[in-house]
Amino acid sequence: DTEVTQTPKHLVMGMTNKKSLKCEQHMGHRAMYWYKQKAKKPPELMFVYSYEKLSINESVPSRFSPECPNSSLLNLHLHALQPEDSALYLCASSQTGTGNTEAFFGQGTRLTVV
Amino acid sequence: ELKVEQNPLFLSMQEGKNYTIYCNYSTTSDRLYWYRQDPGKSLESLFVLLSNGAVKQEGRLMASLDTKARLSTLHITAAVHDLSATYFCAVDRTTSGTYKYIFGTGTRLKVLA
Repeated sequence: DTEVTQTPKHLVMGMTNKKSLKCEQHMGHRAMYWYKQKAKKPPELMFVYSYEKLSINESVPSRFSPECPNSSLLNLHLHALQPEDSALYLCASSQTGTGNTEAFFGQGTRLTVV
Repeated sequence: ELKVEQNPLFLSMQEGKNYTIYCNYSTTSDRLYWYRQDPGKSLESLFVLLSNGAVKQEGRLMASLDTKARLSTLHITAAVHDLSATYFCAVDRTTSGTYKYIFGTGTRLKVLA
């Protein structure tokens, strides 16, 4: 199984709403990532979890709150978002170590903030 | 800070032609990956390059890595319309056991029939 599953696929939320994005993998990967991608731009790294601990936060605003409940799950909690936060949110996972750390990506959540 | 740059940013080419996309990165890394992205879709892994001199080929695409020059190339041979997509290289930067996967600027390829 080389699949990373993200839910929901599409999400429309108001600026006062609270919602969560979910990501799941069963490849035994111990690194998991959240990326944000705007149209016609490369994915931008937001957060990295390594062994269920937050290891990188790329100065992301606090209205985005990641959570890693266990080694297979990664959540991104959203609160009081702005319209400019509308984007494709991608989750990925990879092995750690000195070998192949190829990242496998989920299908993404298309988020629209109204 | 790790920077990953690709050129060209846009590429329009005729079917049957050859072309090369370049990926330069600013700090040491022995691991480089190429991805394809179709409009509105996620990222599809194309190649994994794990050492200096690595060369991988799949169909009309061939990727290579020169870690000393901090350069990877993606060569397209006899392009076909189905190759139209955006191509990203990505470099894995490991610092004290923390993994940071940084993408290049992307190359939007359009193959004209």
